[in-house]
Amino acid sequence: DVKVTQSSRYLVKRTGEKVFLECVQDMDHENMFWYRQDPGLGLRLIYFSYDVKMKEKGDIPEGYSVSREKKERFSLILESASTNQTSMYLCASSLYPPYEQYFGPGTRLTVT
Amino acid sequence: GENVEQHPSTLSVQEGDSAVIKCTYSDSASNYFPWYKQELGKRPQLIIDIRSNVGEKKDQRIAVTLNKTAKHFSLHITETQPEDSAVYFCAAMESGGGADGLTFGKGTHLIIQP
Repeated sequence: DVKVTQSSRYLVKRTGEKVFLECVQDMDHENMFWYRQDPGLGLRLIYFSYDVKMKEKGDIPEGYSVSREKKERFSLILESASTNQTSMYLCASSLYPPYEQYFGPGTRLTVT
Repeated sequence: GENVEQHPSTLSVQEGDSAVIKCTYSDSASNYFPWYKQELGKRPQLIIDIRSNVGEKKDQRIAVTLNKTAKHFSLHITETQPEDSAVYFCAAMESGGGADGLTFGKGTHLIIQP
C-alpha cells in the first residue's frame, strides 16, 4: 500500500514566519508534487520534482520554494508567510512516466 | 499552459439515476486525463483515467469518454448510490514529453438524493 504522509494535519503560523511543510512517501516514486486546495478553485500545482535536487515551477509558485534532498522527502517552504497563503496543502507522489498520483492527508495551514 | 474547465459545479441526482460531469481542456498536447474523487475530509483518490489513444474506458458503474477533436472528456456514473456523494475533479496533462504536474478542474460536488 502506497503511503504518503505529511508532517502536520493542522498548523497555525503568524504573518512573516518561515514555514516548512514536509512530505514523505514510501514507494520509491520519482515524482513528487505540492498542491494547494481552496474552495471553488480546485487543486492548483505549486511545485513539483521529478528527481532528487530537481524542481519545476507549477502554476502558482510565487511566495513558495521547495527542497528535495532525498528521493522520499519533498518539502514546501513559505519564506515569509502571508494571510493569503492560508489554505489546505496537499502533497502527492507518482511513478514516472506519470501514473496515478497518490495524495497525502493534507495540511491545513492558517496564517494569522 | 493548460486550462481545464469543469461543469457543473454542483450536481444533484436521485439515487439510482445517472450522473454526467464534463470537462474541456485547452492544450492539444495533453494526453492523460484522470478523474479523482474526494470525500469530505479525505484525500483525493483516482477513480478512473484515460489516455488519448482511446475514446472510452469503463470500470463497473464508472465510464470516461474522450473527444480529442473537441478537447473535452466526461465522467459518467450509472446507478448512483449514496457513497458516490463526493467532490469529483477532472485533470489533464501531457505525459511522456517530460515531467509535469496535473492541471485540475475546479471540481463538481455530486449530491445523491435518497
